[in-house]
Amino acid sequence: DAGITQSPRYKITETGRQVTLMCHQTWSHSYMFWYRQDLGHGLRLIYYSAAADITDKGEVPDGYVVSRSKTENFPLTLESATRSQTSVYFCASSLGAQEAQYFGPGTRLLVL
Amino acid sequence: SQKIEQNSEALNIQEGKTATLTCNYTNYSPAYLQWYRQDPGRGPVFLLLIRENEKEKRKERLKVTFDTTLKQSLFHITASQPADSATYLCALDIYNQGGKLIFGQGTELSVKP
Repeated sequence: DAGITQSPRYKITETGRQVTLMCHQTWSHSYMFWYRQDLGHGLRLIYYSAAADITDKGEVPDGYVVSRSKTENFPLTLESATRSQTSVYFCASSLGAQEAQYFGPGTRLLVL
Repeated sequence: SQKIEQNSEALNIQEGKTATLTCNYTNYSPAYLQWYRQDPGRGPVFLLLIRENEKEKRKERLKVTFDTTLKQSLFHITASQPADSATYLCALDIYNQGGKLIFGQGTELSVKP
């Protein structure tokens, strides 16, 4: 019963580097989401996907790229990492548009 | 723009008492409202979902109310236990926007034995 997994769990990178965070779910949920969580801002939606090959922007999409070629995977790429992207990133999935969301364990990213 | 406010102060209560957490929102009419629990270093865990046409929802020791006139949800934990200590997040489910959730910043609950 894997559920939803994220990798890596911890990542240190340098400004300007490209970084990809992986998210995989085994429930065949249609919807998948990427959030970042920062002190003082709470959880903020970066991108979400309603199905394979369908993605849309959330509240804070700038500097991020997503893709969803398979239902179970939803990678998040930081094209050129900046210090302001230091955060904890959570992936989530849900069965439908307005259903409970199930979160992964998070990836802690530090951009130096 | 949407704004969600939860108890800004941490809530400290004695074991066995009822904890009541507040979630107020403005400038919006959500079709759903959800509550999540988050422990340090972990992802949020879904607890309850309540729809706009439901006044109250219960699950074991948990109860959620949803007053669309007051634009407020109350989250109650009865017979609280130290294991209930965590941060509780409310989230508005934006109607017709594909499950996009707007989260409050959370209320930290501490239950003392």
